[in-house]
Amino acid sequence: DTAVSQTPKYLVTQMGNDKSIKCEQNLGHDTMYWYKQDSKKFLKIMFSYNNKELIINETVPNRFSPKSPDKAHLNLHINSLELGDSAVYFCASSLSIAGVTQYFGPGTRLTVL
Amino acid sequence: KNEVEQSPQNLTAQEGEFITINCSYSVGISALHWLQQHPGGGIVSLFMLSSGKKKHGRLIATINIQEKHSSLHITASHPRDSAVYICAVSPNTGNQFYFGTGTSLTVIP
Repeated sequence: DTAVSQTPKYLVTQMGNDKSIKCEQNLGHDTMYWYKQDSKKFLKIMFSYNNKELIINETVPNRFSPKSPDKAHLNLHINSLELGDSAVYFCASSLSIAGVTQYFGPGTRLTVL
Repeated sequence: KNEVEQSPQNLTAQEGEFITINCSYSVGISALHWLQQHPGGGIVSLFMLSSGKKKHGRLIATINIQEKHSSLHITASHPRDSAVYICAVSPNTGNQFYFGTGTSLTVIP
C-alpha cells in the first residue's frame, strides 16, 4: 500500500491556468508538508500543516494555497500559473512536527507552458 | 549563505569503493535527516539522527553535534546507489527545515 500518494504525477498546463495537486497519506500522521524542488534539485519547504492547522508558511506567492480537509489530506491549489512555477512538488508526512522521519510522496512534475 | 552545506556536490566512484558524503550546518538542531532521491525522482528518508551513529545495511550515518557535522558513508558501493543524497536539519527553534543542495553520486560498474 502506498504510504504517501500524490495525484497527478505529471501536470502540463498553460500560463494563467489554475490547478490543484492532491496528497493523501494513510500512515495516521499528524503533520503534512509541501516542498518545491527547482531545476537545480534544491528542495524548499512551502507549507506544513499539523492536525489541519497551518504551522509553516514560507515566503511563497499567495497564488499558492494549501487546503487540508482532514489530517490525511493536504492539497495544493495554484492560481494563475506562471512559467517559474514549473518544478517538482513533493508532499510528505511525519508523525509529528519536526525532528522526526518524514515520508515523501512520489512527486508531481508541473510544467507550465 | 545556506544553513546546510554539503560536499562534494558531485561524486563519481567505481563499484566497490567506500564513499563519504559530508554535511555541515550552522544552526542548533533537534535532528538531522539524510534523504535519497533516485533518478526517477522519488525521495526516501534514509536516516534521522540526533547523536552518535546509525547503520542500515551498507549505509552508515554519523553526527557530531559539537562540530555541527554529519557524514553519510556507503560501503561496497554499487551502481544502484547512484542517486542524489540530501542532508536536511530540523532546527531546535521553530518548525522549519533546512536542506542542503544535495550530492549527486554516480557509481560506475
